Amino acid sequence: GAGVSQSPSNKVTEKGKDVELRCDPISGHTALYWYRQSLGQGLEFLIYFQGNSAPDKSGLPSDRFSAERTGGSVSTLTIQRTQQEDSAVYLCASSRYGQGSNQPQHFGDGTRLSIL
Amino acid sequence: AQTVTQSQPEMSVQEAETVTLSCTYDTSESDYYLFWYKQPPSRQMILVIRQEAYKQQNATENRFSVNFQKAAKSFSLKISDSQLGDAAMYFCAKPPYQLIWGAGTKLIIKP
Repeated sequence: GAGVSQSPSNKVTEKGKDVELRCDPISGHTALYWYRQSLGQGLEFLIYFQGNSAPDKSGLPSDRFSAERTGGSVSTLTIQRTQQEDSAVYLCASSRYGQGSNQPQHFGDGTRLSIL
Repeated sequence: AQTVTQSQPEMSVQEAETVTLSCTYDTSESDYYLFWYKQPPSRQMILVIRQEAYKQQNATENRFSVNFQKAAKSFSLKISDSQLGDAAMYFCAKPPYQLIWGAGTKLIIKP
């Protein structure tokens, strides 16, 4: 079946603009995760969804960041009033089950966000 | 707090030789999983191998194997017969759900 799909692949925008990043997880996966990866760095956890609810959003760096998930499927990460430090690759992952399981996460190709 | 540490920012190996990437972790759990992920320049994070802590036997996937030392909290990845396509960033990661990640090791394959 299809893997995790993210769009757009690349996004260049001006400082101060809002951006929306989309993630379409593997069908049937109940858990969805957003991570941020700065150049040459490891992954920084942002938010975890179980179904449509987000039991852990502790990694969101500021109130400019928000995310939602609808229908237990597609998720959107929104960054308002973007800043240059928001430039990074945003990775989405999904797994069959979430909290309490040890299921591996399957990743999309990421969105490279560049703030001018 | 749980931590995962990769102490080798970069490793290089001659094609066809063997290389071992190190990972240590800290946890109070007795039963858990550990993962190695590979991230080539294409950006996609790919699961390489996983190990269940309660299993004595080290996991193996073709040319990839782990040396899991539970008491020492060590989880190293051995790549045998290295190929050019193995060049990537390698990350060690541990659940819980949000995965705790090491900083990564960049693996360079010399032809």
